[in-house]
Amino acid sequence: KNEVEQSPQNLTAQEGEFITINCSYSVGISALHWLQQHPGGGIVSLFMLSSGKKKHGRLIATINIQEKHSSLHITASHPRDSAVYICALAPIQGAQKLVFGQGTRLTINP
Amino acid sequence: KAGVTQTPRYLIKTRGQQVTLSCSPISGHRSVSWYQQTPGQGLQFLFEYFSETQRNKGNFPGRFSGRQFSNSRSEMNVSTLELGDSALYLCASSPGWVLGLAGETQYFGPGTRLLVL
Repeated sequence: KNEVEQSPQNLTAQEGEFITINCSYSVGISALHWLQQHPGGGIVSLFMLSSGKKKHGRLIATINIQEKHSSLHITASHPRDSAVYICALAPIQGAQKLVFGQGTRLTINP
Repeated sequence: KAGVTQTPRYLIKTRGQQVTLSCSPISGHRSVSWYQQTPGQGLQFLFEYFSETQRNKGNFPGRFSGRQFSNSRSEMNVSTLELGDSALYLCASSPGWVLGLAGETQYFGPGTRLLVL
């Protein structure tokens, strides 16, 4: 079983829809990162969470440490949000070593 | 501040050759991590350097090696290239001081796309 599981693997939605991407994990973590990767490969770190909830613009990330689960929400989605979203764990052992989910490919149609 | 830079951006090699990739971290960052991304395996951690010392290592064969210089710039080397080494190689930098509970945001470079023929 993978240490990190993301769902869904692919998601297509219409502009304006509310988007939720889920990440479940099985190991103890010091932090969880949400990353965004656009075509061409560049990766941007969106959030780093160790508890609770963070918001940045239309993006919201939550984490439940007890349930080992995190969600990334996008409100009022836009075609420019189309990208691959990756959940990555910083395990308690070896915190500088990120363990990645397989990613969720999000496509927002106008 | 300038972001993380990687050179070269694209590279074509043949099987059996070796390759060296370079990463310059954000000024002041002392941790550099290297990752391999392939369509089949996704993103995988290669190794992490802090103050010229390898601090963490992933599960890759010894053909993959790296080093870090006193100015925090890092290089990774792959010897005896195989077709399966074709991938996007990403490096990321962070201040590196915080371990354990807090974690740190990592800043990624644009990657080097390696094609092995």
